[in-house]
Amino acid sequence: IQLTQSPSSLSASVGDRVTITCRASQGISSYLAWYQQKPGRAPQLLIYAASTLQSGVPSRFSGGGAGTDFTLTISSLQPEDFATYYCQQINSYPPTFGGGTKVEV
Amino acid sequence: QVQLVESGGGVVQPGRSLRLSCAASGFTFSMHAIHWVRQAPGKGLDWVAVISHDGNSQNYADSVKGRFTISRDNSKNTVYLQMNSLRDEDTAVYYCGRDLVHSNIFYYMDVWGKGTTVTVSS
Repeated sequence: IQLTQSPSSLSASVGDRVTITCRASQGISSYLAWYQQKPGRAPQLLIYAASTLQSGVPSRFSGGGAGTDFTLTISSLQPEDFATYYCQQINSYPPTFGGGTKVEV
Repeated sequence: QVQLVESGGGVVQPGRSLRLSCAASGFTFSMHAIHWVRQAPGKGLDWVAVISHDGNSQNYADSVKGRFTISRDNSKNTVYLQMNSLRDEDTAVYYCGRDLVHSNIFYYMDVWGKGTTVTVSS
């Protein structure tokens, strides 16, 4: 299953509402996760099962969608949120990741 | 604290072998499947392999099947990735990651190591 993220990059300011989209090449129910990765760092799980917030992740992050279309929303962008975000599907083997969305200043 | 630490990366010639290790601490290691995920320079994430919590089940990406072997030693809280017949395209940072759920393989990864770099070059 191929995951297409859009946009591939975006420019935003602190306080902005940011939405990233992930589209699957076929239906994946709600078997989707979102990860954040900062330069030189390992990925961090933000959301799984499309909309379940991982423990310790700020509530300004939210996920939605089902089937083929999913979103990650940051309600009010903070300085520490500038990073690359990846979606991942686990509905079909092998698990696959989207190409990433870089959120820049 | 909950932690995974990778080691064993380095520079290796095409066709040679390398063994990576992933040492765990701070949680009940024997209850979680462990994954390897890699990231080529400037590229996205690429799932490589997983081993079940008890070591009885392993799955691999097609790109590494027959060349890589994942194993674990629960007495040492360590997972290994034996990489044989290495190719230029295996060059990447290799991360190990803990599966989110207990005693099953769900493919979400909630704890990651900092990664170890593998460079395949002549």
